[in-house]
Amino acid sequence: DQQVKQNSPSLSVQEGRISILNCDYTNSMFDYFLWYKKYPAEGPTFLISISSIKDKNEDGRFTVFLNKSAKHLSLHIVPSQPGDSAVYFCAASNAGNNRKLIWGLGTSLAVNP
Amino acid sequence: ETGVTQSPTHLIKTRGQQVTLRCSSQSGHNTVSWYQQALGQGPQFIFQYYREEENGRGNFPPRFSGLQFPNYSSELNVNALELDDSALYLCASSYPSGTYNEQFFGPGTRLTVL
Repeated sequence: DQQVKQNSPSLSVQEGRISILNCDYTNSMFDYFLWYKKYPAEGPTFLISISSIKDKNEDGRFTVFLNKSAKHLSLHIVPSQPGDSAVYFCAASNAGNNRKLIWGLGTSLAVNP
Repeated sequence: ETGVTQSPTHLIKTRGQQVTLRCSSQSGHNTVSWYQQALGQGPQFIFQYYREEENGRGNFPPRFSGLQFPNYSSELNVNALELDDSALYLCASSYPSGTYNEQFFGPGTRLTVL
């Protein structure tokens, strides 16, 4: 039972354009969502997070939007750069579950020069 | 500030053997979580240690065990290795602070079981 779903295994965008990565979840108890970026042969790197009491969080080129009623969040990268090419994971947690992270399967983003 | 480190980087074992993986947490972090990432999958939570005590466990059998030491470094032990244990093992450290708990990951240990 996949509680966190990333339905697009891959995404390709042109440098300078917007990248939108999507994530859906099923567990309404999740109260904190995170995005991680992962390069091959490296561990995941924390990118940005959002609490369930907010609907938007912005950090430089990265913005995460949360739609609780739809149980959907998205990561926007503007403008996309070739160095953003990596696998992006959506993860969720809740305080009642020791804050263990539940992960999606990841979306591989390719930003083409 | 030192980040999360893991050793060894790669490891090859045979079925039935035992393995110990090690993790040093980021400075100031007292919580360590271990994850298993199979090829093409997201990481799966194994367990978490907080102040040397197990603080939550995922759906992994008892042959997966761990320790946390007073300096907050940690070990993951796997007994009676099976072929399906082949995966990237990730360690993450964090410092519980209210409702926010970003976890910072090491580079992982790639375990291959033959």
